[in-house]
Amino acid sequence: SQELEQSPQSLIVQEGKNLTINCTSSKTLYGLYWYKQKYGEGLIFLMMLQKGGEEKSHEKITAKLDEKKQQSSLHITASQPSHAGIYLCGAERNTDKLIFGTGTRLQVFP
Amino acid sequence: SAVISQKPSRDICQRGTSLTIQCQVDSQVTMMFWYRQQPGQSLTLIATANQGSEATYESGFVIDKFPISRPNLTFSTLTVSNMSPEDSSIYLCSVRGGSYEQYFGPGTRLTVT
Repeated sequence: SQELEQSPQSLIVQEGKNLTINCTSSKTLYGLYWYKQKYGEGLIFLMMLQKGGEEKSHEKITAKLDEKKQQSSLHITASQPSHAGIYLCGAERNTDKLIFGTGTRLQVFP
Repeated sequence: SAVISQKPSRDICQRGTSLTIQCQVDSQVTMMFWYRQQPGQSLTLIATANQGSEATYESGFVIDKFPISRPNLTFSTLTVSNMSPEDSSIYLCSVRGGSYEQYFGPGTRLTVT
């Protein structure tokens, strides 16, 4: 089974709607990273969370890490077509290496 | 943040040949990573490349197939050797910044025919 589970796998929302993507680990995380990937391109760094209960925001995107450091959510407020892409969570265990979730494909239609 | 460039951005290669992918960073970094993203899949770590030492490969990846060079703190290469269609993927290099943030290059899209 996947060490890092993301849900949903895909999401289609109307422009202006809010949405949430979840990332769950069966083990405690040392760090949790969120990235956005345009189809077939590189990863754009969004946010990194390290402390239990931590929350960070950038423009209309907010990410939270739960107290147990096993689950994170990414929330987009008032989605826009520019938010479309694949969102990936990456988890750091007790090494410097990241493992990645399965990804969530987001489509935003006008 | 770190700005990372990769060359080539894409290539189409014949099976049995090799391709070397270059990764250049705009600042000195200790740790560089090489990832592979197969079609429709998430990212898988190939190896960690630290300057001055041999690359460390993940399970399922071997040096003969994916030799890596790390001649200095701003540059690395990954070679995909004796390619087969199964090697068709996006290859991405990544670096760890001073504040533990990890950045990725734009990727190299490889198609093997």
